[in-house]
Amino acid sequence: GDSVTQMEGPVTLSEEAFLTINCTYTATGYPSLFWYVQYPGEGLQLLLKATKADDKGSNKGFEATYRKETTSFHLEKGSVQVSDSAVYFCALSVIQGAQKLVFGQGTRLTINP
Amino acid sequence: EAGVAQSPRYKIIEKRQSVAFWCNPISGHATLYWYQQILGQGPKLLIQFQNNGVVDDSQLPKDRFSAERLKGVDSTLKIQPAKLEDSAVYLCASRQITGYQYFGPGTRLTVT
Repeated sequence: GDSVTQMEGPVTLSEEAFLTINCTYTATGYPSLFWYVQYPGEGLQLLLKATKADDKGSNKGFEATYRKETTSFHLEKGSVQVSDSAVYFCALSVIQGAQKLVFGQGTRLTINP
Repeated sequence: EAGVAQSPRYKIIEKRQSVAFWCNPISGHATLYWYQQILGQGPKLLIQFQNNGVVDDSQLPKDRFSAERLKGVDSTLKIQPAKLEDSAVYLCASRQITGYQYFGPGTRLTVT
């Protein structure tokens, strides 16, 4: 079945460090890929998305490129801030119309000043 | 634009009791989802509605969980009777016919 695997957390970095959170997927067909973020006490928010191979999604300084050859969608940011501390979820959807999301287990990120 | 509303935000019950959660989606969003998020895991889809009809309930434990969306707007999710393993955050999400899912803040359920 369809699945998403994320790097295990928690991840702790210092402010202005470079961030990578790995995400790989297994899917039938051609999925759309997403990163969601969950700040403390808040609901999930869509951070960025990519709908086809080689697409790059970007938002708030975060980027992720849809790599079909490696079935990956790694999240990167060049210089993290304390306000980026949150839980990050990678997800896929193989049913475009119904958009049924399958999530990874989440990676907790803590940024220290 | 108001977001997805959920209530209550927190609920503590004893096992074998019943509980209900309420969700009000974003106005005009025809599709509504309920997810279960167990601590340390990603959300898992329980049920999906399109207007007031069920699209997918394949992962809903139907012996104890039920959900309805009678008028195609608000939805309730019920658990009866609750088990310890039902302790989780229950998330509601909605979306338009096209577009992306918007999530509510969730209801944290603790079963003791």
